[in-house]
Amino acid sequence: GAVVSQHPSRVICKSGTSVKIECRSLDFQATTMFWYRQFPKQSLMLMATSNEGSKATYEQGVEKDKFLINHASLTLSTLTVTSAHPEDSSFYICSARVNQGGVEQFFGPGTRLTVL
Amino acid sequence: AQRVTQPEKLLSVFKGAPVELKCNYSYSGSPELFWYVQYSRQRLQLLLRHISRESIKGFTADLNKGETSFHLKKPFAQEEDSAMYYCALLTGGFKTIFGAGTRLFVKA
Repeated sequence: GAVVSQHPSRVICKSGTSVKIECRSLDFQATTMFWYRQFPKQSLMLMATSNEGSKATYEQGVEKDKFLINHASLTLSTLTVTSAHPEDSSFYICSARVNQGGVEQFFGPGTRLTVL
Repeated sequence: AQRVTQPEKLLSVFKGAPVELKCNYSYSGSPELFWYVQYSRQRLQLLLRHISRESIKGFTADLNKGETSFHLKKPFAQEEDSAMYYCALLTGGFKTIFGAGTRLFVKA
């Protein structure tokens, strides 16, 4: 199956700093990627849909200036948590579909962000 | 409203016993439903989708539009089935909405 990677897998940062998380589709091109946030023992909450070459579509309640998404190529989307605070500590997961209109999502392994 | 409900956070069964993980959905359009599974220390992966009507690892799920349900079933649970299971709904905008998840624990 298609493989999605994320980097880093774990990051610890100080409050006020910005953190960038990369999501790559390794063996396929993804015109659309998704970013999720997962709190402990809770479900995945869709944050935004990342579209290659255009602006991301954010879900209601997600601050676009806080969570900057860039989808510069068909294999890479980045999520930057700007001026991170402890409440941003969470597990961030990206996913991608193999092609536009495809139904199966392939997930990255996730990134654990801890803001001190 | 678009919603996926998994009423059980934890389901514990003995090995060899039947298991049913419940999922109900709310969606005004024609639903496309999935079950995703996350084994310990692994990423989320697709288990099965309702349109394919297949059995994966002994699991089946039938879409019941009248009851708006898509329960996951397996007649004889195995220890290796222990995992987190998420029911998911694909909306017309190609966004996937996940349920809260059910942790299945199969005891020896």
